[in-house]
Amino acid sequence: DQQVKQNSPSLSVQEGRISILNCDYTNSMFDYFLWYKKYPAEGPTFLISISSIKDKNEDGRFTVFLNKSAKHLSLHIVPSQPGDSAVYFCAASGGGSQGNLIFGKGTKLSVKP
Amino acid sequence: NAGVMQNPRHLVRRRGQEARLRCSPMKGHSHVYWYRQLPEEGLKFMVYLQKENIIDESGMPKERFSAEFPKEGPSILRIQQVVRGDSAAYFCASSPIPQETQYFGPGTRLLVL
Repeated sequence: DQQVKQNSPSLSVQEGRISILNCDYTNSMFDYFLWYKKYPAEGPTFLISISSIKDKNEDGRFTVFLNKSAKHLSLHIVPSQPGDSAVYFCAASGGGSQGNLIFGKGTKLSVKP
Repeated sequence: NAGVMQNPRHLVRRRGQEARLRCSPMKGHSHVYWYRQLPEEGLKFMVYLQKENIIDESGMPKERFSAEFPKEGPSILRIQQVVRGDSAAYFCASSPIPQETQYFGPGTRLLVL
């Protein structure tokens, strides 16, 4: 059973527009959520995180929104740039785990010039 | 300011051989996590270690896989008698304390022939 789901395998966006990546989770005990960006043949790079006591966290062009009642979070990138093209993973921790992260399967973002 | 280091970056083994993957955490980090990524999948947690202790190995197969994080030196993930299904990318991450942001290494890509 997948506790963290990213239902869109891919997303294509025009440069300068907003990219919205979505993530759903099933375990209401998760208390910390992260987004990672991954290029081929490299390790995941941390982007932004949010604690369950917040509903929004912003860092430059990246904003993460958390809707606990819907068990849903999203990552907004604005404006999108071609260098943002990568696979984005949503991850969660808590819920009885001892610090390990539960990852979604990822969404491949393509930003077209 | 070295990040998480993993070696080798690529490893080729024949069925039945042993694979040893090494991970040096970021400076000041004493918590190490190993994850495995199969093609087209997200990262799956394997094991969480602190210096000289295994904290959580719930994601690691019971047979053939072992991990350690000695007092001195890198953390090692060992796979004995490898099979083709072990072919994957293995990522190590570290954090300064549990439940904190994890930073990932570049991964080791294991290919079993």
